[in-house]
Parts: sequence; C-alpha cells; structure tokens
Amino acid sequence: DQQVKQNSPSLSVQEGRISILNCDYTNSMFDYFLWYKKYPAEGPTFLISISSIKDKNEDGRFTVFLNKSAKHLSLHIVPSQPGDSAVYFCAAKANFGNEKLTFGTGTRLTIIP
Amino acid sequence: GAGVSQSPSNKVTEKGKDVELRCDPISGHTALYWYRQSLGQGLEFLIYFQGNSAPDKSGLPSDRFSAERTGGSVSTLTIQRTQQEDSAVYLCASFRSGLNTEAFFGQGTRLTVV
Repeated sequence: DQQVKQNSPSLSVQEGRISILNCDYTNSMFDYFLWYKKYPAEGPTFLISISSIKDKNEDGRFTVFLNKSAKHLSLHIVPSQPGDSAVYFCAAKANFGNEKLTFGTGTRLTIIP
Repeated sequence: GAGVSQSPSNKVTEKGKDVELRCDPISGHTALYWYRQSLGQGLEFLIYFQGNSAPDKSGLPSDRFSAERTGGSVSTLTIQRTQQEDSAVYLCASFRSGLNTEAFFGQGTRLTVV
C-alpha cells in the first residue's frame, strides 16, 4: 500500500528553467509534508516542508505547494542549477500519534547545463 | 553531537552471520526511525521509536530483524543470519517529536552480504 507516490522516476530540466516535482498521497491523517534531497552515498537532507494548514511555503529558490483536496503537493525549483541534480523524495507524517514518516519512491532530477 | 551518527559506515559480512548497526541520534531528539535503501529502490521504512518504545515496527522484513533503543538515545538494529537480500544502505533518522518537526538523517551504513 503505497501511501505516498511520486509517479515520475526521472526528470531532466535545462539550467535556469523551472523544475517541478510532483507527489500524491492517500492518507488523510497526514498533516505535515516534507521534501528531502539525496546525493549518492549520502543520507537524505531536509529541503523544505509544509503544514497542512498552509497551501504554499517558500524558501529561496524552493517553493512547495499543497492541494489538500486533491491530496497533491509539488516542489518548484527556480531557477534550476546543476547542483540541484539529485534524487528528491517526498515524505508525509501525522503530527501526533504514530509519527511514522512515509516516503515516496523518489524522482531523479537532472539539470542540463 | 552535531548530527546523526551511524556506525559502521560500511560492513561486509558473510551470509549467515549476525550484524549489529548503531545509530547515535541528535541530542534531545525523542524519536528515531530506521530505513533501508536497496540498490535502485526507494526508502523502505523499518521501525519507528518514540523514546525507548517502538509504536510502529511494521516494516521489519522478518523475525531475523530486531531493533532496540536504550536511554532514549542510541539505537541498534540487529540482523541475524544475514542473507544476500539484506544487502542495502541502512539509514537512521532522528527528530524532536511534536508539531511540524523534520527528521535528520545519518550517512547510513552500507551492508554487503557475500
């Protein structure tokens, strides 16, 4: 039962353009959503998050959008830079009770110089 | 410490041997997760600790896998009678339980069963 889904295994974007990574979830108990970035041979690093009471959170070049009714979130990176090339994981959790952090399968983003 | 520390960073073991993987979480973080990532796969949840208890251990693949946490700090993941399919990177993350907190990951332990 894949409760968090990233349907695009890979994405290639020209440097300077916008990268949009998508994520869908099924569990309505989730109320906190996170994006992690992972380079090979390293642990995932936290990138940006959003609470279910918001629909947008911005941090520099990174913006996360949440559509609760559609159970969909997206990560926008603009402008995209070569150093953004990595695997991006979407994750979700409930804030109380069982705080298990559930991950999507990841999207490999390649920025083309 | 400053971050989540995992040891060893690499472990090669013979099939059938037991291995123990260690995680030192960030000081003050009450909750801790174990995940594993097999080659070409995503992050597979194994177990979640809140303090010393494990409210969710639904991801442990078999009874060869066990984990414990003592003193609300260090956690060990033990794999008995290792099999080749256990080869993966085992990742630990810790977080401060509560509202809108993120988990911080260690660098992982790469386990290779030969």
